[in-house]
Amino acid sequence: ETGVTQTPRHLVMGMTNKKSLKCEQHLGHNAMYWYKQSAKKPLELMFVYSLEERVENNSVPSRFSPECPNSSHLFLHLHTLQPEDSALYLCASSQEFASGVPNEQFFGPGTRLTVL
Amino acid sequence: AQKVTQAQTEISVVEKEDVTLDCVYETRDTTYYLFWYKQPPSGELVFLIRRNSFDEQNEISGRYSWNFQKSTSSFNFTITASQVVDSAVYFCALSELDNFNKFYFGSGTKLNVKP
Repeated sequence: ETGVTQTPRHLVMGMTNKKSLKCEQHLGHNAMYWYKQSAKKPLELMFVYSLEERVENNSVPSRFSPECPNSSHLFLHLHTLQPEDSALYLCASSQEFASGVPNEQFFGPGTRLTVL
Repeated sequence: AQKVTQAQTEISVVEKEDVTLDCVYETRDTTYYLFWYKQPPSGELVFLIRRNSFDEQNEISGRYSWNFQKSTSSFNFTITASQVVDSAVYFCALSELDNFNKFYFGSGTKLNVKP
């Protein structure tokens, strides 16, 4: 595997289900991100993990719960979602340096989530 | 207020035409970075370019060129002699030095290149 992979690619779930999205990066990066992409809206940054610690949480509802067990893996645990949570969820990774210069983020193909 | 505005929601051109995608940004930082990404139908965003706020030189890479104008807070992207494979959604993004791992994305411009 190369780059950033995400599983599953498609997910349909009911509002009472619990599911998890998985992201894995094979690039040796030290930062990982979850984004939400809804139709005709800018990409919304949900969570940022740098060196496995959460550094950014853009007031995301608690029904979304991230987990970063190591620098290569990132999960997004989902429970009691709403239909408006249906979207494409993108994972990304990047290599951060102390200089603070942002490097490009490498994205996975996304998980298309539908909440019924 | 949105930090990155891509006013063109969708553009359609015929193959071999030139096309310019507009990006206007807003920041109070003097040090910032601008990016362009391409999102083909497969879904994953592909990095195209990064520019810092101190480098206003225009850049050309093959059929792609970028025009950075600090005076108008714009970072426009031109594709010369467009091809069908250029059809995708293109995103402009901004990163500020004090919060460098937070990217502000525009809402994207969908480019349709017809044969």
